[in-house]
Amino acid sequence: GPKVLQIPSHQIIDMGQMVTLNCDPVSNHLYFYWYKQILGQQMEFLVNFYNGKVMEKSKLFKDQFSVERPDGSYFTLKIQPTALEDSAVYFCASSFRGGAETLYFGSGTRLTVL
Amino acid sequence: SQWGEENLQALSIQEGEDVTMNCSYKTYTTVVQWYRQKSGKGPAQLILIRSNEREKRSGRLRATLDTSSQSSSLSITGTLATDTAVYFCALTSGGNYKPTFGKGTSLVVHP
Repeated sequence: GPKVLQIPSHQIIDMGQMVTLNCDPVSNHLYFYWYKQILGQQMEFLVNFYNGKVMEKSKLFKDQFSVERPDGSYFTLKIQPTALEDSAVYFCASSFRGGAETLYFGSGTRLTVL
Repeated sequence: SQWGEENLQALSIQEGEDVTMNCSYKTYTTVVQWYRQKSGKGPAQLILIRSNEREKRSGRLRATLDTSSQSSSLSITGTLATDTAVYFCALTSGGNYKPTFGKGTSLVVHP
């Protein structure tokens, strides 16, 4: 089936540093998402993105967070500066249409902030 | 919160048994999706059921949706050890572009 790739699979950084999480979505998909998961528990929505713009973001999407997808390349989540509470697994997803459609998820990036 | 109380569960069963997981919600929902997440992987969609559908089947899986009681269920017949995973329901409301996930049900199927 369609594959979403996330790079890297693990990232360890010191608090206060910047980190960029990369996502290679399914090639013909138009909508992109980031979710945050702590300890294998609930998937928390962070943000979605379409046509070069953020459509919706949650309260978890702090001012230190940003997303972009320059020229159809990777869809990225940047955190600058990082905080201890940012430690989690971040999942990228994509879908062809927005709304109530199937999301295809990557395998996640485990971020550890020390 | 959009969710009812019974959306967090842990189930442990033997291979071959049937199992049903439930999801209840409080907000208007147009679509319920059921996802499965295996250890170390991202969620993968199993079934999508829309508000005008009562039931949907896919192989050993059966999902139901009752909009009057605001609840959905996912049943697996003849479970296999490979069904061991966390199962999430995810809601989408009309005009909304972000499926919202429940807390999930952890299912362990013993061979």
